[in-house]
Amino acid sequence: QSALTQPASVSGSPGQSITISCTGTSSDVGGYNYVSWYQQHPGKAPKLMIYEVSNRPSGVSNRFSGSKSGNTASLTISGLQAEDEADYYCSSYTSSSTLYIFGTGTKVTVL
Amino acid sequence: EVQLVESGGGLVQPGRSLRLSCAASGFTFDAYAMHWVRQAPGKGLEWVSGISWSSGSIVYADSVKGRFTISRDNAKNSLYLQMNSLRAEDTALYYCAKAGGVSSLGDYFDYWGQGTLVTVSS
Repeated sequence: QSALTQPASVSGSPGQSITISCTGTSSDVGGYNYVSWYQQHPGKAPKLMIYEVSNRPSGVSNRFSGSKSGNTASLTISGLQAEDEADYYCSSYTSSSTLYIFGTGTKVTVL
Repeated sequence: EVQLVESGGGLVQPGRSLRLSCAASGFTFDAYAMHWVRQAPGKGLEWVSGISWSSGSIVYADSVKGRFTISRDNAKNSLYLQMNSLRAEDTALYYCAKAGGVSSLGDYFDYWGQGTLVTVSS
């Protein structure tokens, strides 16, 4: 497949929690614990938020958490803040000849 | 502080070539795999190519295989992408990214440059 499937947009009010899904296949998301998530503000480079399904890099807020069930990974943002408004992309290692695949991207809007 | 600075982008005609560079600093360059990821205007991220620390493992996306060549010079802390037979669909912002993880090519991208824009048009 050419890209993992994410919802085009997700929105929430400040303080709420939102979850972004990332659906793949057993050849990528379901087959490896190598799912990562990236945050991208307009005009900026992507920033790693979660790696290996649920690990947070140093400096990333603990309001961000990741999980996986079968072929679907999820990113949850709790206590939503205005600064969380951005595009989010998932990524997975894959057994195909193209070793890494990204999701279609989700625009998060803070109402 | 990890820094990745891309250069070499520009406007090029279809069928021509371009070479991108990425200067790395702030980490032990020769200990990590490196990758190129691109983003077409207004579109999502697309992985392009990756190279292990020793250049022993090199991989490409199907969309660029046979046209692009990734390389690195550990003595110069630099990563390169030679792009030949460029097409309009190669138009994108090209990011250099450091790999993280224990596998030879890494399993995630923990630091990114700001990107260099490649525009393929006549």
